[in-house]
Amino acid sequence: AQSVTQLGSHVSVSEGALVLLRCNYSSSVPPYLFWYVQYPNQGLQLLLKYTTGATLVKGINGFEAEFKKSETSFHLTKPSAHMSDAAEYFCAVSETYGQNFVFGPGTRLSVLP
Amino acid sequence: NAGVMQNPRHLVRRRGQEARLRCSPVKGHSHVYWYRQLPEEGLKFMVYLQKENIIDESGMPKERFSAEFPKEGPSILRIQQVVRGDSAAYFCASHPGLGAYSPLHFGNGTRLTVT
Repeated sequence: AQSVTQLGSHVSVSEGALVLLRCNYSSSVPPYLFWYVQYPNQGLQLLLKYTTGATLVKGINGFEAEFKKSETSFHLTKPSAHMSDAAEYFCAVSETYGQNFVFGPGTRLSVLP
Repeated sequence: NAGVMQNPRHLVRRRGQEARLRCSPVKGHSHVYWYRQLPEEGLKFMVYLQKENIIDESGMPKERFSAEFPKEGPSILRIQQVVRGDSAAYFCASHPGLGAYSPLHFGNGTRLTVT
C-alpha cells in the first residue's frame, strides 16, 4: 500500500532563507507525486507534480521538487523564502493515476521576518 | 473555467440536525473525492465517487454519513444527526478519471460547526 510521510510538522525559516520541506513515500509501482499548498481558510492548491520524465520539477511561486527514486523522496525546495509562503504544505502520492490519492500529514511553514 | 465549487462555505448545525454539503466538480470531471480536515490535522480521505457510483467509501463512518454523485447535479455529502465531533472542514476534490494525467482539483471547503 502506498503511504506518505512528511518529516517535521512545523518548519520555521527566516525570510530569504532556503526552504526545504521533506516528503518520503512508499509505493509498489512508479508513483505519481504532488505537492499542494493550503493557505488559511482555503482549499488545497497544486504547487507541482511529477508524473514521468524529468526528475526535477518546477512549480509555481518559485518552488521545485526533485524525485529521487533511490531515496523514495520528493522534497520541496525554494531558494529564498517570502513571507507569503507561510502556509500548510501537503505531499501526495497516487499509484493509479486518477485513483487512490494519499496525502501526507502536512508541514506548516512559518516565515520569520 | 470554473473550479470546484463547494457550498455552503460555512454551515452551523445543532446536535441532532442534518448537514448537507454540496460539491460541483470542474466541468468535465466525472470523479469526486471527499476529505475531512480537523484543526491542526491533515486531510483524511472519506469517499471516492464516480457519477452514480461509489468507488471507495472506506474512509467514511458507516453510520450517519452518506455520499452521492448523481448523473445530474452536484455531489452531496450528508451527515445525519450531527454530533460535536463532526465539526471540521470538509473538502471536495474532482478529477477527470482513471488514467487522466491530472491532479486533484480542490474546492475551498465547507466548514461545519456543530453547536
